[in-house]
Amino acid sequence: GAGVSQSPSNKVTEKGKDVELRCDPISGHTALYWYRQRLGQGLEFLIYFQGNSAPDKSGLPSDRFSAERTGESVSTLTIQRTQQEDSAVYLCASSLAGGIDYGYTFGSGTRLTVV
Amino acid sequence: KNEVEQSPQNLTAQEGEFITINCSYSVGISALHWLQQHPGGGIVSLFMLSSGKKKHGRLIATINIQEKHSSLHITASHPRDSAVYICAVSSTNYGGSQGNLIFGKGTKLSVKP
Repeated sequence: GAGVSQSPSNKVTEKGKDVELRCDPISGHTALYWYRQRLGQGLEFLIYFQGNSAPDKSGLPSDRFSAERTGESVSTLTIQRTQQEDSAVYLCASSLAGGIDYGYTFGSGTRLTVV
Repeated sequence: KNEVEQSPQNLTAQEGEFITINCSYSVGISALHWLQQHPGGGIVSLFMLSSGKKKHGRLIATINIQEKHSSLHITASHPRDSAVYICAVSSTNYGGSQGNLIFGKGTKLSVKP
């Protein structure tokens, strides 16, 4: 596609429920990143996929968070047993290749509210 | 101390003013990025640079690798430039797959008409 697409754009969920967030990167972009931005805070790295390599999960804040990517296409970020502190905008970005000197294209984000 | 520091945190300017936002970092980097985050939350990548200077329209980004410092300049500022400007670095020090950008906390710019 023309840009990075994320869905849903907004999600309100009850505490304790599981949620799935989706990211469609730009076609041909081998690298895909998930970030989180809590209200009034900066961007936090969550996870990074590069091609068929093992993902870098070092930013995931707890074992309630997991992410998958099918080949070099769609990625889903799953949050199990959501907590109020999970409320944030979840941003996905992709780049032509990973970790080096390639520009990033960000999606519009998913605003998650846990009530 | 944060690895990427931006200044100022907040900046209010009158339309037409020349604006400078600064970014200092303390890690080795392969590239530095300037991002623009609009009030609605969308993020746009403005520049990626590893040396020298880049210009796009009214925006200019410079980097001094020796001093570990970058600046983003906006000439003839306009209210539509109002946004949060974020500096981020691709660190060579990162003990992992280098998938991680290290972000500054952002500079909130407000340009008044």
